[in-house]
Amino acid sequence: GAGVSQSPRYKVAKRGQDVALRCDPISGHVSLFWYQQALGQGPEFLTYFQNEAQLDKSGLPSDRFFAERPEGSVSTLKIQRTQQEDSAVYLCASSLNYPGGQPQHFGDGTRLSIL
Amino acid sequence: AQSVTQLGSHVSVSEGALVLLRCNYSSSVPPYLFWYVQYPNQGLQLLLKYTTGATLVKGINGFEAEFKKSETSFHLTKPSAHMSDAAEYFCAVTQTTSGTYKYIFGTGTRLKVLA
Repeated sequence: GAGVSQSPRYKVAKRGQDVALRCDPISGHVSLFWYQQALGQGPEFLTYFQNEAQLDKSGLPSDRFFAERPEGSVSTLKIQRTQQEDSAVYLCASSLNYPGGQPQHFGDGTRLSIL
Repeated sequence: AQSVTQLGSHVSVSEGALVLLRCNYSSSVPPYLFWYVQYPNQGLQLLLKYTTGATLVKGINGFEAEFKKSETSFHLTKPSAHMSDAAEYFCAVTQTTSGTYKYIFGTGTRLKVLA
């Protein structure tokens, strides 16, 4: 498709389980971002990739969160030993290239619920 | 560090009335500014952006915003509201740190359009 694709759309996990969220950016887009959006809040930055390089991971809440983009296209956000406070919508966005004036194109997100 | 403040978490207007959503930013350098719209269970869609040049920016769906450096504002307006404009609106500014960049989002304004 032409847009950013995220899967799964919905994920329910028990506390303590590991989860993996996938993002397929727009073909050719160099930059890829992950955001966490809590209910009623704006997206909060998690991490940023330029091609396969993770240039900024300052927003990852803890070492339970890990993101990768090994071939510079598809990215996976992994959360280990999930906790209830991890429940949120996780948004992926991509942009054509650097620098900061580029608009970001967002996927529809993955809604994660931790029971 | 850059930040964004959106005044009014909820705004209600009558159909056909003026829409005004407020956004103020703080930045020590000329910013890139964006407005995004989010419909339920969807990702964010770009409405308009300001990078350089003309301070009055026109976007999609009849929205426009004016960059006012002296007031550090980037308010979003639309002359006549439609029912389909009911959604959540986010203002964002890009932050550049050590050669990388990320978006800083406001907390959002939910627009309700009354028939």
